[in-house]
Amino acid sequence: DAGVIQSPRHEVTEMGQEVTLRCKPISGHDYLFWYRQTMMRGLELLIYFNNNVPIDDSGMPEDRFSAKMPNASFSTLKIQPSEPRDSAVYFCASSFAGDGLRQPQHFGDGTRLSIL
Amino acid sequence: DQQVKQNSPSLSVQEGRISILNCDYTNSMFDYFLWYKKYPAEGPTFLISISSIKDKNEDGRFTVFLNKSAKHLSLHIVPSQPGDSAVYFCAASGNDMRFGAGTRLTVKP
Repeated sequence: DAGVIQSPRHEVTEMGQEVTLRCKPISGHDYLFWYRQTMMRGLELLIYFNNNVPIDDSGMPEDRFSAKMPNASFSTLKIQPSEPRDSAVYFCASSFAGDGLRQPQHFGDGTRLSIL
Repeated sequence: DQQVKQNSPSLSVQEGRISILNCDYTNSMFDYFLWYKKYPAEGPTFLISISSIKDKNEDGRFTVFLNKSAKHLSLHIVPSQPGDSAVYFCAASGNDMRFGAGTRLTVKP
């Protein structure tokens, strides 16, 4: 079975450009999570969805970040305009509903984003 | 706010010895805890979990211990193997969920 698929794997762009990261969760999973990993802060939860509905976006750093989940098989994380401090590895993860957040998550391999 | 803390950024142990990774949390509403392992250029993968109704859960070489009164959990790996070298993340969940910053484990042959 395919796992969580993220694209692109690497993205290098200039400051001020719009960046769109994509995620396809595992079929049948009800939750989808977006994380950012940096050396300083480790793995930060940015936002998560349940059945395509955003539940908690308190981790989104600022208004330049937005996330959507138009259907059960696709989600995007957008940064507009991008800044050098947004450089990080961004992970998407999904899980079954089960007992809410008390479920192991399946992670994609991440998108390494570099803003010049 | 660092609700889940892994205070040791790195740990080095000899092959065959025990590795102990520690994690502390502050939110008493967390009642389910997980450990993930991450290799370079890959996403984290689930390793083992424990519910707050238990104080120990074992899976092969991996054992997680939970001390609720101290809000502390630990992951024991015994015996440690070179293939265990990775970054280990602790996670806590309930009505919310948070990850720690990770501990890089190096197992030397």
